[in-house]
Amino acid sequence: GEDVEQSLFLSVREGDSSVINCTYTDSSSTYLYWYKQEPGAGLQLLTYIFSNMDMKQDQRLTVLLNKKDKHLSLRIADTQTGDSAIYFCAESSSASKIIFGSGTRLSIRP
Amino acid sequence: GAVVSQHPSWVICKSGTSVKIECRSLDFQATTMFWYRQFPKQSLMLMATSNEGSKATYEQGVEKDKFLINHASLTLSTLTVTSAHPEDSSFYICSASKTSGRNEQFFGPGTRLTVL
Repeated sequence: GEDVEQSLFLSVREGDSSVINCTYTDSSSTYLYWYKQEPGAGLQLLTYIFSNMDMKQDQRLTVLLNKKDKHLSLRIADTQTGDSAIYFCAESSSASKIIFGSGTRLSIRP
Repeated sequence: GAVVSQHPSWVICKSGTSVKIECRSLDFQATTMFWYRQFPKQSLMLMATSNEGSKATYEQGVEKDKFLINHASLTLSTLTVTSAHPEDSSFYICSASKTSGRNEQFFGPGTRLTVL
């Protein structure tokens, strides 16, 4: 079945860039998403990218997609303490189901 | 717009009792609603997909008689955990979708269920 994988933890210094990586297996993925989850809360959609795009930028967020390698990344520029959260990579194909990765816990050190 | 609420935000119950969780789309009509379960430090696992007025579609391994889903209107879906046991303790999150096009789902804040 479809699978989405990401590393569990990432620690960066405040002000540096954070890069969270994700790989997926479904070659028919149509949309790829990045969600943010703060402690005890639901998921907030940060950004998404169509599978026919290779890059999308939205303020401090840059998404890169390598469709050939089925690799997706999220770069957060000038990381702030408020960026501490769990970041979920997700994908969906033509079906309505979204498959989530295990989440990457981003921690910010001063 | 696109706000989804859940009620209650947390609930503690005794083993053997049933618990109902509500999911509401506050400012849009949701053609489809989804129920997820999230264990500590783990990802979201889709439990079921429901369309208004029809039976929910459950994922493999999810007991439909234990997790009853009702989607009676375009703004409300309920998940009832019947005869809850401690292993049902989890964070339950719902989401709602406006259309089937972009598959964008708007997530509720989640309900933490603790079964004693």
